[in-house]
Amino acid sequence: EPEVTQTPSHQVTQMGQEVILRCVPISNHLYFYWYRQILGQKVEFLVSFYNNEISEKSEIFDDQFSVERPDGSNFTLKIRSTKLEDSAMYFCASSERWEQYFGPGTRLTVT
Amino acid sequence: DAKTTQPTSMDCAEGRAANLPCNHSTISGNEYVYWYRQIHSQGPQYIIHGLKNNETNEMASLIITEDRKSSTLILPHATLRDTAVYYCIVRVSRRDDKIIFGKGTRLHILP
Repeated sequence: EPEVTQTPSHQVTQMGQEVILRCVPISNHLYFYWYRQILGQKVEFLVSFYNNEISEKSEIFDDQFSVERPDGSNFTLKIRSTKLEDSAMYFCASSERWEQYFGPGTRLTVT
Repeated sequence: DAKTTQPTSMDCAEGRAANLPCNHSTISGNEYVYWYRQIHSQGPQYIIHGLKNNETNEMASLIITEDRKSSTLILPHATLRDTAVYYCIVRVSRRDDKIIFGKGTRLHILP
């Protein structure tokens, strides 16, 4: 069964550094999303992406965040200058219709 | 904020049916009821969704009341692997629409 994959599974970075989280959505899906979950808290929407542009973004998704689909298979989330409060699980999701399918997540730890 | 109300936690004996309730009294006519679950910090997993008719798939059944103000997710023969947080979500079925997660119900399957 096709699935969303994410790399790396765990990323440790120092405050102020740039990180890129990578996702490979399900191949025939056209809609892509990033969510995050701070430890012990709810899953929060960050951004949705379709047709090479952002469809919607949340208040969390400020100028420090960007997304890109650099080729036909990858979907990336970049954080330009990480803060301690960016430490969280980041989930990528994709959809063809209405059900979103999530990847296993990348645990980002900012020290 | 999430438009649904769910119990914080529930227990169910292994092999029995798990019935997870959800109240969504302010649901609009074009909004569907979706269920996702999250097993211990893994990515959320789509389970089922419905508009007004009862739905069944290989994972679960969804029973929606006639007035659509509440619903029940039924896991017919719960196993230990069904221990997870279950999220009831109300949303329009638009392909790029974000999911707003609440706190969900923490379901413990007891051996």
